[in-house]
Amino acid sequence: GAVVSQHPSRVICKSGTSVKIECRSLDFQATTMFWYRQFPKQSLMLMATSNEGSKATYEQGVEKDKFLINHASLTLSTLTVTSAHPEDSSFYICSATPLAGVKYEQYFGPGTRLTVT
Amino acid sequence: AQTVTQSQPEMSVQEAETVTLSCTYDTSESDYYLFWYKQPPSRQMILVIRQEAYKQQNATENRFSVNFQKAAKSFSLKISDSQLGDAAMYFCAFYPSGANSKLTFGKGITLSVRP
Repeated sequence: GAVVSQHPSRVICKSGTSVKIECRSLDFQATTMFWYRQFPKQSLMLMATSNEGSKATYEQGVEKDKFLINHASLTLSTLTVTSAHPEDSSFYICSATPLAGVKYEQYFGPGTRLTVT
Repeated sequence: AQTVTQSQPEMSVQEAETVTLSCTYDTSESDYYLFWYKQPPSRQMILVIRQEAYKQQNATENRFSVNFQKAAKSFSLKISDSQLGDAAMYFCAFYPSGANSKLTFGKGITLSVRP
């Protein structure tokens, strides 16, 4: 149990376009979902925290107008990278905390590799 | 604010041997959780082990065990009988017990296993 999926697993887009990444909790309802960014050989950097039905809380330095997060249901959160540029190329990982469970539990998705050309 | 420090960027271990990965953290919190996560080449984050700060007993999961020294704010991971599949990046992480908490990760360490 406790599976989190991400779609797509990898995406290539042209500079200036927008791309949406989905994060789904497949077998549980998630009270909170987190979005991370990871550069090669580096750690996970938290971008934002989202709770179902409310606005996401962004970490300092993360542009909320560029990285739009929507958490429309207890099983789905989306990250939209707007007007993507090559510097947005990265590995994006989501995680989810079960509604029924302890709050320190986080289940991670397999990640999405974004390449902006 | 919490900080998690993993000072060794890389380590190598011979298959079947034991290796210890170091982690220190800094916090003013009294109640928190500590984790070791494994990220293999697939990049899927896998929870290796969890330690509750209020527990004095060190957590153990099969070949993985921790040495939790609360006063020293140290949380090392010992991998016994290392296997080729243990090769991965390992992250130490801290989670405070308060409201609106979030995971703070260390920089990670790349572990290679020599056959």
